[in-house]
Amino acid sequence: GDSVTQMEGPVTLSEEAFLTINCTYTATGYPSLFWYVQYPGEGLQLLLKATKADDKGSNKGFEATYRKETTSFHLEKGSVQVSDSAVYFCALTQAAGNKLTFGGGTRVLVKP
Amino acid sequence: DVKVTQSSRYLVKRTGEKVFLECVQDMDHENMFWYRQDPGLGLRLIYFSYDVKMKEKGDIPEGYSVSREKKERFSLILESASTNQTSMYLCASSLLMGQNNQPQHFGDGTRLSIL
Repeated sequence: GDSVTQMEGPVTLSEEAFLTINCTYTATGYPSLFWYVQYPGEGLQLLLKATKADDKGSNKGFEATYRKETTSFHLEKGSVQVSDSAVYFCALTQAAGNKLTFGGGTRVLVKP
Repeated sequence: DVKVTQSSRYLVKRTGEKVFLECVQDMDHENMFWYRQDPGLGLRLIYFSYDVKMKEKGDIPEGYSVSREKKERFSLILESASTNQTSMYLCASSLLMGQNNQPQHFGDGTRLSIL
């Protein structure tokens, strides 16, 4: 079946540092890929998405590129802020059913 | 903006009780989902529904059932609660099946403790 693997956290950074969270996937067919973010005490929010190979999703300074050749969708941000402290989830969905398959989540802590 | 509302943020129940978790969405979405979230395991799909009175098992349906009598409401039922069902439960909704680039919209979660 489909699966998503992302780096384990926690990832601790200083403000203005560069952030990368690795995500790789295994799927038959041509999934759509997503990054969701969960701030403390809240549900998940969609951060960005990409629906086909070489698409780049971007939002709030975050970017991720759908790399079919490496089955990856790494999340990056050039300069993090304290407010970016959250848990980040990589996920995929296939055409049949719109069910999401999630990675285990990566907790990011940004210190001032 | 899509609003997905879960009836309780925190809930404490006893082993063997029948527990109901309620979820309502206000955007006329066809799909609704129930997940549980556990540390290190991410989110795992319990059940989902793509229409009124329709339901499909997810990856971990054992010990749970669901009800969808109205389009906007999706209930998760723990038939006889057990301590291993202590978890964070998240409800989500999305536009209809087959459109795989439609994001899911999540509620804030219910943290359920079974004593």
